[in-house]
Amino acid sequence: AAGVIQSPRHLIKEKRETATLKCYPIPRHDTVYWYQQGPGQDPQFLISFYEKMQSDKGSIPDRFSAQQFSDYHSELNMSSLELGDSALYFCASSLGRHWADETNTEAFFGQGTRLTVV
Amino acid sequence: AQSVTQLGSHVSVSEGALVLLRCNYSSSVPPYLFWYVQYPNQGLQLLLKYTTGATLVKGINGFEAEFKKSETSFHLTKPSAHMSDAAEYFCAAHTGTASKLTFGTGTRLQVTL
Repeated sequence: AAGVIQSPRHLIKEKRETATLKCYPIPRHDTVYWYQQGPGQDPQFLISFYEKMQSDKGSIPDRFSAQQFSDYHSELNMSSLELGDSALYFCASSLGRHWADETNTEAFFGQGTRLTVV
Repeated sequence: AQSVTQLGSHVSVSEGALVLLRCNYSSSVPPYLFWYVQYPNQGLQLLLKYTTGATLVKGINGFEAEFKKSETSFHLTKPSAHMSDAAEYFCAAHTGTASKLTFGTGTRLQVTL
């Protein structure tokens, strides 16, 4: 079965550079979530999109932006990178909003993009 | 605000022994609860979830968890640990009023011979 695809899997950037992470949800899934997991940390919610509109916002820095496109894939754009941005970035997708229908209360996670800022 | 607490950042068990990973939540409304497993350099894989109905939930790989509202707990258990169970385990919750999942800080399970 198709899963959530994230690209690239690994990315090395220098401080103050920009990075773009891509997420391709499971076919027919209309909701995408982004999480950031620092070394030894639990995943922290950044932002989510439902039907191409931002649906919820977490601890996403102003230097980051994201959007969901017409084909439901999503991109996380990160500018003025800092050493502290080094982390594993997860994307997840679900069918429908996570909470709207109890039969759809599952988000499937991708394998993540490991960003290293040097 | 909702929070998820996992007691014990590291748990070590012998192969064949009972696995018990603890999770407590604080929420003003009954939450949806999840356990995810993360192997090294891998993504998060759903083990099991509780939404409504039966409070004892069975998941993959022989794991199960019981939702106890009176104790605000959702502990993960497995009767007999296997070496392949060694991984990081995250408890997570959401209340349904927001789309995000709130994760606990994780418990690293070590299985020894």
